[in-house]
Amino acid sequence: DVKVTQSSRYLVKRTGEKVFLECVQDMDHENMFWYRQDPGLGLRLIYFSYDVKMKEKGDIPEGYSVSREKKERFSLILESASTNQTSMYLCASSWGGTVADTQYFGPGTRLTVL
Amino acid sequence: RKEVEQDPGPFNVPEGATVAFNCTYSNSASQSFFWYRQDCRKEPKLLMSVYSSGNEDGRFTAQLNRASQYISLLIRDSKLSDSATYLCVVNNDRNAGNMLTFGGGTRLMVKP
Repeated sequence: DVKVTQSSRYLVKRTGEKVFLECVQDMDHENMFWYRQDPGLGLRLIYFSYDVKMKEKGDIPEGYSVSREKKERFSLILESASTNQTSMYLCASSWGGTVADTQYFGPGTRLTVL
Repeated sequence: RKEVEQDPGPFNVPEGATVAFNCTYSNSASQSFFWYRQDCRKEPKLLMSVYSSGNEDGRFTAQLNRASQYISLLIRDSKLSDSATYLCVVNNDRNAGNMLTFGGGTRLMVKP
């Protein structure tokens, strides 16, 4: 079974703090993704990575950065958290290649920025 | 116009009912289609892929209409455990097609 884990289920931070969200997958997947999910807006892609040290912007990258130093780990960084970044953050991974494949999600991190 | 549109619902149906959801997508170049299921406060999980010829998995049937750019999901003999949000998912053609676009989801509530 594919397993995608995220470092925290719930996180509360203050405005201006630097926030790290970690994601680890154990299936040797090439692709990893960070989404946020908000009521009425659905899942929106922030960043994704198709290989170590490679990253691509998604639909809403502003205010975020990512890091992929190892294949199994993909980190999302909020350099200076703001209240509009309060959301559910979901990490996902999938096999590589040119065909869109099933994405496996982690349990999510509910981030509240005060 | 959203890339993937779904009726948010909720659809309230009694146990045993048949219910259908539709989803429309805007990118005619899309090649891969999926239905995901998301339970309350849980992560999305793949329910089924959608193939051009249509496909069935037990009580669930998915259909694709490329000409009209819509996808459907039919659930027969609804169970209480089918209560969830169903996400329509389509690949987009950015960056070798590995990216997926998610609809906002349709909420289903099955009542006793």
